[in-house]
Amino acid sequence: QVQLQESGPGLVKPSETLSLTCAVSGYSISSGYYWGWIRQPPGKGLEWIGSIYHSGSTYYNPSLKSRVTISVDTSKNQFSLKLSSVTAADTAVYYCARLRTFLDYWGQGTLVTVSS
Amino acid sequence: QSALTQPRSVSGSPGQSVTISCTGTSSDVGGYNYVSWYQQHPGKAPKLMIYDVSKRPSGVPDRFSGSKSGNTASLTISGLQAEDEADYYCCSYAGTVVFGGGTKLTVL
Repeated sequence: QVQLQESGPGLVKPSETLSLTCAVSGYSISSGYYWGWIRQPPGKGLEWIGSIYHSGSTYYNPSLKSRVTISVDTSKNQFSLKLSSVTAADTAVYYCARLRTFLDYWGQGTLVTVSS
Repeated sequence: QSALTQPRSVSGSPGQSVTISCTGTSSDVGGYNYVSWYQQHPGKAPKLMIYDVSKRPSGVPDRFSGSKSGNTASLTISGLQAEDEADYYCCSYAGTVVFGGGTKLTVL
């Protein structure tokens, strides 16, 4: 069974960089598929952030592209998200997921609050 | 890349059928057969219900069905049950991913 688990600080100060990691078990990232990040502000809908292939090829949401970096570490079977210059608008539950032409396996999500 | 358009809310009584629409453009929904639907209960991660327009993952009841016509995709839930009450999101894949704004389904 494929499982994903997000981890990282739950509180980030404005203007700093949000960093999260998604650990994958039950499937080797090197075997294929894209791996993505999605977020959901409190009480709002889902927003795709971006995705990465095991080779490092990436796709980013154009509205976030200037602030987002997604990377992969196949040796640890995990991938990571960095979002720079955060503001209160970046407060959200952040999910990682496996991406095919659909998102079939999701992490449980982690709440990140941007506040001083 | 604009969000796909969904109704904010729909409702139905137990046993009835409801349909949720998802309208995009020829660059997303209309251009590819890669529309998926997700069910989300409060405080939970989204769950895949339909993929590639009309395919159901293992374990999803056949009460859930999907279709597409032009730039609009639809999710139909027949034989409504209380546990179907949730938020539903459509999604289109074309290398990049775009979600709909979400529809709250209320079972009366």
